[in-house]
Amino acid sequence: QQQVKQSPQSLIVQKGGIPIINCAYENTAFDYFPWYQQFPGKGPALLIAIRPDVSEKKEGRFTISFNKSAKQFSLHIMDSQPGDSATYFCAARPSGNTPLVFGKGTRLSVIA
Amino acid sequence: NAGVMQNPRHLVRRRGQEARLRCSPMKGHSHVYWYRQLPEEGLKFMVYLQKENIIDESGMPKERFSAEFPKEGPSILRIQQVVRGDSAAYFCASSPEYRGPPHFGAGTRLSVL
Repeated sequence: QQQVKQSPQSLIVQKGGIPIINCAYENTAFDYFPWYQQFPGKGPALLIAIRPDVSEKKEGRFTISFNKSAKQFSLHIMDSQPGDSATYFCAARPSGNTPLVFGKGTRLSVIA
Repeated sequence: NAGVMQNPRHLVRRRGQEARLRCSPMKGHSHVYWYRQLPEEGLKFMVYLQKENIIDESGMPKERFSAEFPKEGPSILRIQQVVRGDSAAYFCASSPEYRGPPHFGAGTRLSVL
């Protein structure tokens, strides 16, 4: 079974803090690693994505760090704001004709 | 450019009834994926379709569930004889080509009484 393990399950940080969400995978054939953000009652929205030939990618306040040898990747949110409070999902795409595999999600709360 | 459109947004069914969930992909997208999300759970893949073809249905329960994506019209996820355990949010996603990142709709929340 191709799996992506995500931690922590929930996270509370103060405004301005840097929450870090971690994901680990087993299948070395994964070749694309997106992160999705989901607000209550809404669908997941693509936030940022990385490929395994890159160790870091930044878009605004969001950064993905990728460690290919450890088979781990993480999302960092700089200067977090209450509006960042949402559930974040990491995902991975196996090579071949198989859709994205998702982690179980991290519920982030940013308190003022 | 409208996003992925799902309807209805909320659907209430009694046990034993049928549920039909519709998904219109983004313009130009020919790949459709259905996922199920239970409370406090992640997104579980159900089925992947292209126009008129089921490509991967490995996540679909063998009984009562079916999906189609006809040449014309939306993709349909059909659940026959619903049971309480079918209560969940069902999300559709579409992509322009197989390896493009999928974009999700707002989901259909199914409640089975």
